[in-house]
Amino acid sequence: SAVISQKPSRDICQRGTSLTIQCQVDSQVTMMFWYRQQPGQSLTLIATANQGSEATYESGFVIDKFPISRPNLTFSTLTVSNMSPEDSSIYLCSGEQGTTGELFFGEGSRLTVL
Amino acid sequence: KQEVTQIPAALSVPEGENLVLNCSFTDSAIYNLQWFRQDPGKGLTSLLLIQSSQREQTSGRLNASLDKSSGRSTLYIAASQPGDSATYLCAVNTGFQKLVFGTGTRLLVSP
Repeated sequence: SAVISQKPSRDICQRGTSLTIQCQVDSQVTMMFWYRQQPGQSLTLIATANQGSEATYESGFVIDKFPISRPNLTFSTLTVSNMSPEDSSIYLCSGEQGTTGELFFGEGSRLTVL
Repeated sequence: KQEVTQIPAALSVPEGENLVLNCSFTDSAIYNLQWFRQDPGKGLTSLLLIQSSQREQTSGRLNASLDKSSGRSTLYIAASQPGDSATYLCAVNTGFQKLVFGTGTRLLVSP
């Protein structure tokens, strides 16, 4: 199975600032995704990270707030822009390897916005 | 809109018990269903993947079943151990590998 690493693992940020989360996979994956897990909640899909093109966002998420890059098949970034306390969550990167449809997840990046 | 519900929300059992976690989904048009484990403050670990054409999958002490027509899946854990304590999440693939997650079952296995 693919090993997915995320940086930072956690951070405390000030309101109004932006933070970029990096996701690195140890092998090529066909698809990559970004999820959010708000405190006490389950996971919600933010967007599909498309290689070399704009990400595809789910309802309720917009590019200005969550710009995403995916320059190659093993790396992606998610930026949380102009943060507010409501953005305090765990952000998780996931990827699909092969054609089974099985998704693997990183350890997550826990953001606290003061 | 696909909705996924897990029952019970929390479960506490003594070590050695066999247990069943339930997952239900509202739209039977799924491609597959995946069970995950999440330890506190950690990411997700994939446990089992069941394709829509399959009825069950087994891995060690874990067995997952799928009844797509009734919108249900169960995760059976045999001979539970304290190390099984975690939150268990089911997720359905609605297409293009997009997962809709359930609410989770928080399991505590006491020695």
